[in-house]
Amino acid sequence: EVQLVESGGGLVQPGGSLRLSCAASGFTFSSYWMSWVRQAPGKGLEWVANIKEDGSEKNYVDSVKGRVTISRDNAKNSLYLQMNSLRAEDTAVYYCGRNTGMEYWGQGALVTVSS
Amino acid sequence: QAVLTQPASLSASPGASASLTCTLRSGIDVGTYRIYWYQQKPGSPPQYLLRYRSDSDKQQGSGVPSRFSGSKDASANAGILLISGLQSEDEADYYCMVWHSSAGVFGGGTKLTVL
Repeated sequence: EVQLVESGGGLVQPGGSLRLSCAASGFTFSSYWMSWVRQAPGKGLEWVANIKEDGSEKNYVDSVKGRVTISRDNAKNSLYLQMNSLRAEDTAVYYCGRNTGMEYWGQGALVTVSS
Repeated sequence: QAVLTQPASLSASPGASASLTCTLRSGIDVGTYRIYWYQQKPGSPPQYLLRYRSDSDKQQGSGVPSRFSGSKDASANAGILLISGLQSEDEADYYCMVWHSSAGVFGGGTKLTVL
């Protein structure tokens, strides 16, 4: 059974940093692109970033470029999202997903940026 | 103008069919794109339903009933999610997504009410 479990969310002040993790199981992690998608409270879905199987290619939505870094550790079956210079508009539930098509989603991690 | 446009809401009766549209911005040809569809119920992460580019390039999500199907309307430059035999449990938000310029792009979502 494919499982994706996000962790690392929480309350952070504007300008602060946070690192999200996504633990994957039930499939060969190193064979898939992985993605992050977020959803602000009461709003729609926004694609954030994705990373190639070997980490050699990464893509980001314009609103996070330069502040957010996606990475992965295939030995640990884990995906990460390092977020710096956080803003109020980054407040959202962050989901990790398998593949570019997000065939499987985690339960999400809530990130709240507020003073 | 947004890359993808979805009607904000749609209502349909139990047992009927519902056609949810995802219109691509003028100048972006729907014919070349895979369109991904997701269902999200309150308090839950999105669930992958299917992807559709053509009848020879399509994929149904794991465990997704066949009454959910995809198609395109080239004249409207739109992707379509057809839900037949509507059930009360189909009441949810539905999102489409495409890959455009190396980034994922979601539509704003359609709230489907079954009444």
